Amino acid sequence: QKEVEQDPGPLSVPEGAIVSLNCTYSNSAFQYFMWYRQYSRKGPELLMYTYSSGNKEDGRFTAQVDKSSKYISLFIRDSQPSDSATYLCASETGANNLFFGTGTRLTVIP
Amino acid sequence: DAGITQSPRHKVTETGTPVTLRCHQTENHRYMYWYRQDPGHGLRLIHYSYGVKDTDKGEVSDGYSVSRSKTEDFLLTLESATSSQTSVYFCAISESRGGRYNEQFFGPGTRLTVL
Repeated sequence: QKEVEQDPGPLSVPEGAIVSLNCTYSNSAFQYFMWYRQYSRKGPELLMYTYSSGNKEDGRFTAQVDKSSKYISLFIRDSQPSDSATYLCASETGANNLFFGTGTRLTVIP
Repeated sequence: DAGITQSPRHKVTETGTPVTLRCHQTENHRYMYWYRQDPGHGLRLIHYSYGVKDTDKGEVSDGYSVSRSKTEDFLLTLESATSSQTSVYFCAISESRGGRYNEQFFGPGTRLTVL
């Protein structure tokens, strides 16, 4: 079983839609939960991270972690064509060994 | 890409040949990492370094070796390349490790094809 599981999609939505991206994880020792965004042929870049359970909001993006169900979510409000990318969830214990999901490819159609 | 360069950016090689990929950083970060990215597997850690001459294995280290003789350079070597090592390789750096979250910054990647 992979440490972090993610639906690979692809996901296609119209501009302005609310997007929900989800991951599950298996390791109870994970403390940090990250979302990376990766444009085609580029390296991943950190979008946001959350420590332990709870919500974190940054503009149109909200990250949510539920440690009781081992569920990680990213919500994108008012999605834009520029949000079209692959979104990677990742988790770590605090020892900086990142475990990534396989990524979900998102396309926002104008 | 946070002062990280990777070379070469693209390489095609034949099975059985040695290959070395280079990661160079200008951020003076202590930690450096090599990942590979494959469809259906996502990013997986190959090796990492926590200082000059200090390295350790990651999740998928078999068939790979690394060296770090200077803070700014981290080399990944495939001693005898195999077709299963066809992948996109990413270098990452971070400032410190352990106890708190430290963002990893990724380079642009090297696309390696082993025929």
